[in-house]
Amino acid sequence: KAGVTQTPRYLIKTRGQQVTLSCSPISGHRSVSWYQQTPGQGLQFLFEYFSETQRNKGNFPGRFSGRQFSNSRSEMNVSTLELGDSALYLCASSSTPSDRVTGNTIYFGEGSWLTVV
Amino acid sequence: ILNVEQSPQSLHVQEGDSTNFTCSFPSSNFYALHWYRWETAKSPEALFVMTLNGDEKKKGRISATLNTKEGYSYLYIKGSQPEDSATYLCAFYSGGGADGLTFGKGTHLIIQP
Repeated sequence: KAGVTQTPRYLIKTRGQQVTLSCSPISGHRSVSWYQQTPGQGLQFLFEYFSETQRNKGNFPGRFSGRQFSNSRSEMNVSTLELGDSALYLCASSSTPSDRVTGNTIYFGEGSWLTVV
Repeated sequence: ILNVEQSPQSLHVQEGDSTNFTCSFPSSNFYALHWYRWETAKSPEALFVMTLNGDEKKKGRISATLNTKEGYSYLYIKGSQPEDSATYLCAFYSGGGADGLTFGKGTHLIIQP
């Protein structure tokens, strides 16, 4: 089956602009989580969506937002970009949030590399 | 704030040797511990999900053990091959707080032919 698709793969934005990243999960999966990786840091949890509802959000400012559509595709948006937002943004796809403990595989996309200049 | 530590940060191993590395996590509110293998320019690939104290999982030459009481997991690779070169991530799930996985910074493994 097709994997997790993230677009765009690479982009460069200017400080103060906003950006939208997209994630298409594996067909049939309804849970999408987003993670950020900055240089020297581990993956940081941004938020999770399940059945079009945000279940929870990590410790990020309100400039970071997201949504999920009825087909389970998810977008995340970062407004008023700062240099520190330069990072790899990864999307994770699973059937349900409980896959974190059931042992069902959670699949990751290849990520979107965002550079803010 | 949950703290997940992985050691060593990087590791060079001769082809054919066996190796292991560690993931340390909080011993309270444990729900699950995940291991991922992440090759450069690819997506992280799930290796194991471990939920019970004493769990041992195996996939080919790779195996993992779990001690939830003391808060650590070991990943073992037997007879390392060049294709094992990757960053190995562990991720802890506590079921509360931000409700996402808390990742370590990874162990970068390089297998030298």
